[in-house]
Amino acid sequence: DTEVTQTPKHLVMGMTNKKSLKCEQHMGHRAMYWYKQKAKKPPELMFVYSYEKLSINESVPSRFSPECPNSSLLNLHLHALQPEDSALYLCASSQGPIAGTGELFFGEGSRLTVL
Amino acid sequence: TQLLEQSPQFLSIQEGENLTVYCNSSSVFSSLQWYRQEPGEGPVLLVTVVTGGEVKKLKRLTFQFGDARKDSSLHITAAQPGDTGLYLCAGGQGAQKLVFGQGTRLTINP
Repeated sequence: DTEVTQTPKHLVMGMTNKKSLKCEQHMGHRAMYWYKQKAKKPPELMFVYSYEKLSINESVPSRFSPECPNSSLLNLHLHALQPEDSALYLCASSQGPIAGTGELFFGEGSRLTVL
Repeated sequence: TQLLEQSPQFLSIQEGENLTVYCNSSSVFSSLQWYRQEPGEGPVLLVTVVTGGEVKKLKRLTFQFGDARKDSSLHITAAQPGDTGLYLCAGGQGAQKLVFGQGTRLTINP
């Protein structure tokens, strides 16, 4: 069983909807990440939070809005998405403050479909 | 730009055969990780290698980090259908973000 929990597992939304993806970890990790993965492709980094502060934003469109309420929780708020945003959204955490120094522990992902 | 190239991209073999997957770069990495991902799930960490020339074994899987820390290989002995999945290598370099290879999609046929 993964120690990074993501909800919901599946989400279908229209282009005018507002929804949120949630992620939780209780391993005491201080870095948390959002990745986007399209079919048959590797994960692409979107955001990195280090000690609850946004440290990396990979030029992600503003229709994706991350939030880190505390060291265990990470949200991704979605608004006015496009059909091409349909993908598997993966949350990950690591012990180290910044990706590249630590191993990543991934959740099972949230499969998003935008109609 | 750091790049990790994996080969082959696709591999389909019969149960019981051996195989090797390669992960190559022109950049030096301080560590390299291998993940396996099954359909509809997140990647799961298999191993991390940090020392040039290091070899790690995980049951039938053998991982090697190149002496110059620019490349790595994953060798599977006597492959089983449960080994089927997407294998991803990922390199770290100090404080920079992790770089993922394109992945090797492995299918083991019974």
